[in-house]
Amino acid sequence: EPEVTQTPSHQVTQMGQEVILRCVPISNHLYFYWYRQILGQKVEFLVSFYNNEISEKSEIFDDQFSVERPDGSNFTLKIRSTKLEDSAMYFCARGRVDAGANVLTFGAGSRLTVL
Amino acid sequence: GENVEQHPSTLSVQEGDSAVIKCTYSDSASNYFPWYKQELGKRPQLIIDIRSNVGEKKDQRIAVTLNKTAKHFSLHITETQPEDSAVYFCATTDPPGSARQLTFGSGTQLTVLP
Repeated sequence: EPEVTQTPSHQVTQMGQEVILRCVPISNHLYFYWYRQILGQKVEFLVSFYNNEISEKSEIFDDQFSVERPDGSNFTLKIRSTKLEDSAMYFCARGRVDAGANVLTFGAGSRLTVL
Repeated sequence: GENVEQHPSTLSVQEGDSAVIKCTYSDSASNYFPWYKQELGKRPQLIIDIRSNVGEKKDQRIAVTLNKTAKHFSLHITETQPEDSAVYFCATTDPPGSARQLTFGSGTQLTVLP
């Protein structure tokens, strides 16, 4: 019963192509995050999005990446000119403040395969 | 930024035995320490968490302990079962004032042998 829905579940693309991954929160939250997990590795922070603006981003989140909330509901991660090393699971997460802690719940993820 | 070290990277135990996974962190301002379980091909799922004002928390067969002075926290699973087999990640929250994103450890592959 994920509180965020991600599409597509799996996308295969050619190197150099643009990819858009989507996240739809079921309930309204202020904080959203994108994380990446390369196969067999740890979950890495990409970017946080607060009140329709980027709040923080990691070193991984370079000019190749962008996030938007185009219609106030969908939350997208765009990867321009994909590279082989972009192959990974991309997780959207929503944050819920609980007793001063920001509790994250992840979506089911989008698996990106770059050929 | 925060640095989280997790050990061991792999752990095999016999069914019914206990498993302990340890993490250390670098930023003394961190105040929230969750543990996530990730089954193969699935999303990370929160299984237990602890705040900095508490030293230990239990939930049935799992428990987490926190030593703020030493900046380490541990996950304890007792009476392990085959369904406990998964990758476990510890995490900490970046200090207040940031977007409070989680920084994850490198993960521990736990295998419970029947």
